Amino acid sequence: DIQMTQSPSSLSASVGDRVTITCRASQDIFTYLSWYQQKPGRAPKLLIYAASSLQGGVPSRFSGGGSGTDFTLTISSLQPEDFATYHCEQSYRTPYTFGQGTKVEIQ
Amino acid sequence: QLQLQESGPGLAKPSETLSLTCTVSGDSILTSAYYWAWIRQPPGKGLQWIGSVYYTGSADYNPSLMSRVTISADTSKNQFSLKVTSVTPADTAVYYCARLHRSTWYFDHWGQGTLVTVSS
Repeated sequence: DIQMTQSPSSLSASVGDRVTITCRASQDIFTYLSWYQQKPGRAPKLLIYAASSLQGGVPSRFSGGGSGTDFTLTISSLQPEDFATYHCEQSYRTPYTFGQGTKVEIQ
Repeated sequence: QLQLQESGPGLAKPSETLSLTCTVSGDSILTSAYYWAWIRQPPGKGLQWIGSVYYTGSADYNPSLMSRVTISADTSKNQFSLKVTSVTPADTAVYYCARLHRSTWYFDHWGQGTLVTVSS
């Protein structure tokens, strides 16, 4: 299986901060990488697919980058509604696998 | 507007079979553009892909669960289903159904999820 490792596991930030989350794959996955946002008690919501493509309706403050094994999710200016857990996921090869999640908390 | 809704018992006993159904509205599962997937999340833990089914009935499974899992599609009801046999408390999780975009491979629509607890 392809292992997906996110860092950090959690972070504290303030409204307006720029936040970057990293995801590393255990092997080359090209750009078969998606990012999801999950709020407590809710289903995950797709933010970014193909490493850097913004899903329709997602605010432009979210951006994704990277290819191969190293990827980033950046929130350019953190908003109150962005406090949530973020998951990366690889779809290069089955079994599709997710990172362990990064919890973004209010500082 | 596409909606996915999971349904099924919220409690199962150890060694029994867990059965869930996902009803799709706002789109037909009889399409070549998507797969239809099950994903689960144990309480306080990360997400695990269980498997996906195509409208033809062809399915892929996570090898870690493959011996106990069956995913099937019923195009006449616009539903797809999950069966997990011989469940244990480790199968306690929120189970989500989701749509998997076939060309760029991402889960773009999810159901709200249903908690299944395995306990005697």
